[in-house]
Amino acid sequence: GQNIDQPTEMTATEGAIVQINCTYQTSGFNGLFWYQQHAGEAPTFLSYNVLDGLEEKGRFSSFLSRSKGYSYLLLKELQMKDSASYLCAVIDSNYQLIWGAGTKLIIKP
Amino acid sequence: IAGITQAPTSQILAAGRRMTLRCTQDMRHNAMYWYRQDLGLGLRLIHYSNTAGTTGKGEVPDGYSVSRANTDDFPLTLASAVPSQTSVYFCASSDSGQYNEQFFGPGTRLTVL
Repeated sequence: GQNIDQPTEMTATEGAIVQINCTYQTSGFNGLFWYQQHAGEAPTFLSYNVLDGLEEKGRFSSFLSRSKGYSYLLLKELQMKDSASYLCAVIDSNYQLIWGAGTKLIIKP
Repeated sequence: IAGITQAPTSQILAAGRRMTLRCTQDMRHNAMYWYRQDLGLGLRLIHYSNTAGTTGKGEVPDGYSVSRANTDDFPLTLASAVPSQTSVYFCASSDSGQYNEQFFGPGTRLTVL
């Protein structure tokens, strides 16, 4: 079967750095997305990785290791507005998108 | 309008009733999707359409139907609602295929009693 694992919930402090991990076992791999979803709102696109390595976009970075079936989202200089759920999604060999259940990130002052 | 709109925002429905959730996008995207999101389960694909005139089944299609008469609209119909269909429903679109960034509507919160 196809599976994506993310921690259910994480807590971090305002101004700090947090890393949200995502591991996947899918039939093939054609890319990985990270989306942000604030409570009661729609998911919005954060990043896309298809090659190994780190993609940096402002305070957010996303890393991919295809050989390990592993990605992480790194959030720096945390702000209260970063409190949200972060969804990992993988494109499989049939170009279908497989979604993780998401990680709820709680930011404390 | 800009992006994707969904209607209604929320709805309480008696079991057995028929309900259509509406979705309209103005980005001229070829592909559109319907998801349901339940606590702890993440997004699950119900139906999708890669282009106007075609539709396909996702992970959880039973009890739902869709149509795609034109590029902009992608309604989702529950023929006879059941309590297990209580969920938040998101419509999304992408330029072409699930491998592209998807843009989501604001969601419809549906409660079936």
